Amino acid sequence: GQSLEQPSEVTAVEGAIVQINCTYQTSGFYGLSWYQQHDGGAPTFLSYNALDGLEETGRFSSFLSRSDSYGYLLLQELQMKDSASYFCAVRGDDYKLSFGAGTTVTVRA
Amino acid sequence: NAGVTQTPKFQVLKTGQSMTLQCAQDMNHNSMYWYRQDPGMGLRLIYYSASEGTTDKGEVPNGYNVSRLNKREFSLRLESAAPSQTSVYFCATLGGAGANVLTFGAGSRLTVL
Repeated sequence: GQSLEQPSEVTAVEGAIVQINCTYQTSGFYGLSWYQQHDGGAPTFLSYNALDGLEETGRFSSFLSRSDSYGYLLLQELQMKDSASYFCAVRGDDYKLSFGAGTTVTVRA
Repeated sequence: NAGVTQTPKFQVLKTGQSMTLQCAQDMNHNSMYWYRQDPGMGLRLIYYSASEGTTDKGEVPNGYNVSRLNKREFSLRLESAAPSQTSVYFCATLGGAGANVLTFGAGSRLTVL
């Protein structure tokens, strides 16, 4: 089966940098992805990694180490609008795609 | 606009009633998913369909059935609703770079009394 672990909450001030770690177990590996969800909304895609290394998309970056079954999402220059829940997700065999329980990021002024 | 459409957006059921959640996508993607989301528990996979004609169980399939009607449509059925099935349900389709990008519908909020 698939399982993912990520911290439940992170709090930081505007302008700061936040790193959300994710460790996973999966049968087969085809990518680790990240999603953002604001209260009352649907999750939206942020980034994904299929190969080891860092992917940068504006203020957000995602990193993967397949040998460690580990990845992280880096949020830079935090803004109030970044207050949301962030989920890591892993795609395994047969297109099965499972999510972590989510990390609530609170940005303070 | 291209995307994923779920109906209904809200539904209240009594215990034991049945209902079907509908999902349609116009993104021409092969794989479709149903998730449920409960407070503090993230998104849990109920069923998925890797391609037209196939369906597979996810993490929490008990009490649900699915039908992949064609490439566009993937429905979720509750045969005998229970209060434990009160949740927000999301349909999603998989595509994008490396087939690793899920696009979600707006969600269906179901309450079972």
